[in-house]
Amino acid sequence: DQQVKQNSPSLSVQEGRISILNCDYTNSMFDYFLWYKKYPAEGPTFLISISSIKDKNEDGRFTVFLNKSAKHLSLHIVPSQPGDSAVYFCAAKGAGGTSYGKLTFGQGTILTVHP
Amino acid sequence: NAGVMQNPRHLVRRRGQEARLRCSPMKGHSHVYWYRQLPEEGLKFMVYLQKENIIDESGMPKERFSAEFPKEGPSILRIQQVVRGDSAAYFCASSPRGANEETQYFGPGTRLLVL
Repeated sequence: DQQVKQNSPSLSVQEGRISILNCDYTNSMFDYFLWYKKYPAEGPTFLISISSIKDKNEDGRFTVFLNKSAKHLSLHIVPSQPGDSAVYFCAAKGAGGTSYGKLTFGQGTILTVHP
Repeated sequence: NAGVMQNPRHLVRRRGQEARLRCSPMKGHSHVYWYRQLPEEGLKFMVYLQKENIIDESGMPKERFSAEFPKEGPSILRIQQVVRGDSAAYFCASSPRGANEETQYFGPGTRLLVL
């Protein structure tokens, strides 16, 4: 039962353009969402998060949008840079029940930014 | 402020041996989480610990796996009688208080290879 899904295994964009990574979830108990970036042979690095009381959070080139009714979130990277090439994971957790404390991850999306 | 430390970074074991993975959380963090990433998959939650307490072990296999986070020293994930299917990257994360809207910061991981 995949509660967090990233349906695009990979995404390729040109340097300077926008990268949009998508994530869907099914568990209504999830109320806090995070995006992590991961390079091979390294641990995930935190990028940005959003609480369910918001629909947008911005940090520099990174913006996360949350659509609670659709149970969908997206990460926008503008402008994309070659150094952004990595695997991006969406993760979710909730305040109670079986979703408390632990992060539930999507399968990841490989982003490649071409110079 | 040092990040989450994990050692060893790489561990090779033969079938039937024991594997011990160590995790030192970030300074000031008293909550530790262990995740496993199998090849070509996302990260999967294993166990959530606070000092001297297991909060949630719902992701731990029922046999051969155990975890602890003693009052002093690192958190330990122990795998007894390893099998080839245990080969994976094991990541530890930590957070300050375990609050819901709190980021979990990850270590570099331990890559376990079972021959």
